[in-house]
This record gives sequence, structure tokens and C-alpha cells, in this order.
Amino acid sequence: SQKIEQNSEALNIQEGKTATLTCNYTNYSPAYLQWYRQDPGRGPVFLLLIRENEKEKRKERLKVTFDTTLKQSLFHITASQPADSATYLCALESSGTYKYIFGTGTRLKVLA
Amino acid sequence: NAGVMQNPRHLVRRRGQEARLRCSPMKGHSHVYWYRQLPEEGLKFMVYLQKENIIDESGMPKERFSAEFPKEGPSILRIQQVVRGDSAAYFCASSFSGTGARTDTQYFGPGTRLTVL
Repeated sequence: SQKIEQNSEALNIQEGKTATLTCNYTNYSPAYLQWYRQDPGRGPVFLLLIRENEKEKRKERLKVTFDTTLKQSLFHITASQPADSATYLCALESSGTYKYIFGTGTRLKVLA
Repeated sequence: NAGVMQNPRHLVRRRGQEARLRCSPMKGHSHVYWYRQLPEEGLKFMVYLQKENIIDESGMPKERFSAEFPKEGPSILRIQQVVRGDSAAYFCASSFSGTGARTDTQYFGPGTRLTVL
């Protein structure tokens, strides 16, 4: 069955450093992958979408890569700030449908 | 421009009661999705609706759960005879074009936290 893995352990990094979060998947060939941010007690907020034929996508301090050979996406936040502290979810399109399957998320904490 | 609205934000029910969760999509959006999130688990797709139509309910339990999106008014997720295992956060999302637009962004509401005693 389709499976998405995100590191369930929290990631703590120092302010100003680059945070890198990983999303691995198996039994999948998604055409699209999305990253969301979720703060405690709130709904997810869309950040970026990347297509299978795009290796990299950037938006301000955010960068996403999509390696269909490794079946992995990396999410980078450069010059991280305490305000970036949140849980980050990856979501993969399920088999050519409109449905996205979500990972469990990785909690990021940026230390001042 | 209001975002996706959900109410109530918190709902407490006793076992056997009914829970009704409401979702008003963003203005101009006619596609609604419902998800359930358990602690330490990912968002699980439940159902996708357009106005007056259920498009895909493959993620929704066959019994006790139902959803609707009437021509007028909010989308409703209804859980009958709730059990403790129904305790979770329920999120609604809306999008502009839905099916056929696989890159369409889903905008999420703040969620309803259901607690079953």
C-alpha cells in the first residue's frame, strides 16, 4: 500500500541555520507533491507544490526538491527564524486523482 | 475575504449522541473536502463534495457517518451515535476547481475538535 514517511522526531535548530525536512514515500508514483505548515490548534496552510518533472521549487526562504528516483522530497527553510517553528506536512497526490495523502508531519523548533 | 470557517471549534458529546460539524468554504469555492486527524497521525481523507453532490466518500466509514453540501448553506459532516474512537480533530478544506485541477490548492479551516465522553 502507499506509504509516506516523515521523521516523527522533532527537529531543533538554531536561528539563522537551514532546516531540512525529509519526506519519503513507497509504492507511489505521485505526479504532484505539496508541503503544508500546521500550527498547534490550527488547520494546515499550503506552502508549495512541486510537479514530478520539476527538480526544485523555491519561494522566498523555502526550497523544495523532488527526487522521483529516490522517492524523496526535501523541504528547506534557509535563514530560519523562531516564527518558522511549526509542524510541516508533506502530501502526495494519490494515483492521478485530486486526493492527497498526508504524512504525519515533522515538528520543527527554531531556537533563538 | 473570509477563509474557510468551521463551527463549532470544540464539541463535546456523550457516547450515543449525534455530532454535527459545519463548514463554510471560501467565497467562490464550490468544492469541499473533509479530513480527520488523530493525535500523532496524519490527516486522513474522508469525503469530497461539490454542491449537492458527493463525489468521493471512500475515506468515510460506511456506518454512522454522512456528509452533505446543500445548494444553500454550509457543508455538514454528521456523526451519529458517537463512540470514543470518534474523538479527533475534523478539518474541512475548500478549493476553487476541484477534480480535474490536480494542482488546485486546498484551503483548510481551523478544525472542529470533537471529544466523546
